[in-house]
Amino acid sequence: AQSVTQPDIHITVSEGASLELRCNYSYGATPYLFWYVQSPGQGLQLLLKYFSGDTLVQGIKGFEAEFKRSQSSFNLRKPSVHWSDAAEYFCAVVLDQTGANNLFFGTGTRLTVIP
Amino acid sequence: DVKVTQSSRYLVKRTGEKVFLECVQDMDHENMFWYRQDPGLGLRLIYFSYDVKMKEKGDIPEGYSVSREKKERFSLILESASTNQTSMYLCASSFRRLAGVRNEQFFGPGTRLTVL
Repeated sequence: AQSVTQPDIHITVSEGASLELRCNYSYGATPYLFWYVQSPGQGLQLLLKYFSGDTLVQGIKGFEAEFKRSQSSFNLRKPSVHWSDAAEYFCAVVLDQTGANNLFFGTGTRLTVIP
Repeated sequence: DVKVTQSSRYLVKRTGEKVFLECVQDMDHENMFWYRQDPGLGLRLIYFSYDVKMKEKGDIPEGYSVSREKKERFSLILESASTNQTSMYLCASSFRRLAGVRNEQFFGPGTRLTVL
């Protein structure tokens, strides 16, 4: 079955430290992968996406993610975290690549940033 | 900018009431989606629509129905609200065809529904 796993429910990092949020997928074909961020009380905002080509993708707010087919992973990284990055982060994969673009979401990782 | 708006940010209803959640998008997107978000469960798809008057069940359609009479508007209906439908409801929209950036879904701010 297709699925997306975010193994870390909650991560705490110090401001200025580096960040890596893990995402693993289970999907037979080449996946279309996304990272979304949800700030408190807000809807979801797209950080970055991977469809094909270069496996290292750059997103907004200084985030990047690397697609590793051999590990079925699409981990999100940021070299230096800012206090405003505190939010919930969702990895998602498109299941239906022929039209409806249905997204299947992971359960999310909550990021806390300490001064 | 793409804009997806939802009729209410917060809503409090009583058990058994009929509840309407409205979503409007202004980007001429073919697809529209309703999700509910619960702690520890992420986002789960309730219903989606890929065209006017068309609808498809998602993963958790029980207790919900939808209506799409116009392309820009997608309504979620709770026929008889129950306490286990207390949740955050998120609407999203996207273009239908696979074509680069058109794949992404754009989300509204969400409606936090409490059923007493």
